[in-house]
Amino acid sequence: EIVLTQSPGTLSLSPGERATLSCRASQSVSSNYLAWYQQKPGQAPRLLIYGASSRATGIPDRFSGRGSETDFTLTISRLEPEDLAIYYCQQYTRTPPTFGQGTKVEIK
Amino acid sequence: QVQLVESGGGLVKPGGSLRLSCAASGFTFSDYYMSWIRQAPGKGLEWVSYISGSSPYANYADSVKGRFTISRDNTKNSLHLQMDSLRVEDTGVYYCARDRGGGWLHEHWGQGTLVTVSS
Repeated sequence: EIVLTQSPGTLSLSPGERATLSCRASQSVSSNYLAWYQQKPGQAPRLLIYGASSRATGIPDRFSGRGSETDFTLTISRLEPEDLAIYYCQQYTRTPPTFGQGTKVEIK
Repeated sequence: QVQLVESGGGLVKPGGSLRLSCAASGFTFSDYYMSWIRQAPGKGLEWVSYISGSSPYANYADSVKGRFTISRDNTKNSLHLQMDSLRVEDTGVYYCARDRGGGWLHEHWGQGTLVTVSS
């Protein structure tokens, strides 16, 4: 199975700062079938990005994704207090679909 | 709007069974693949199973294969997960999700139902 490794484990930034989250795959993710999900405390996950770079419906444009093959990045251009959450990457190119272990974003 | 509401969670002893349900509304249910994803307490996400929209094709994670059975009733807009031979490590919140395309991309999620396997 494809193993996804996210870094850093925790990111602590101030409102207005830029957050850069990394997701590295153990094998190439073909067709860029890589998604990002946001899970706020006590809530279900929400789809943010699919196809490595396409925003899901209703997602603010401060969230952006990029990357290919084995290296992917989620960027939050200007952090807001409500962005406090754990962010997971997921590959959906090959069975079983797998998730990274998550990056926790803390707001100072 | 899309709504997914899970039910059926609870406390069960190891070796026991539980049947989860997910009531769907706000979209044409039979047009979509549906998945179950779980999250152990304080841990990350794990895909469990998915089922195709109208033809009965299903797939399972190795960790549940042979013990869990996914099914759907398109006349009642409902998704189910029959869980048998439950283990302590099956404990967690179980989410149903509507998938985009051919499955595995989880576009909409329910709020989850908690399953606790403990003696």
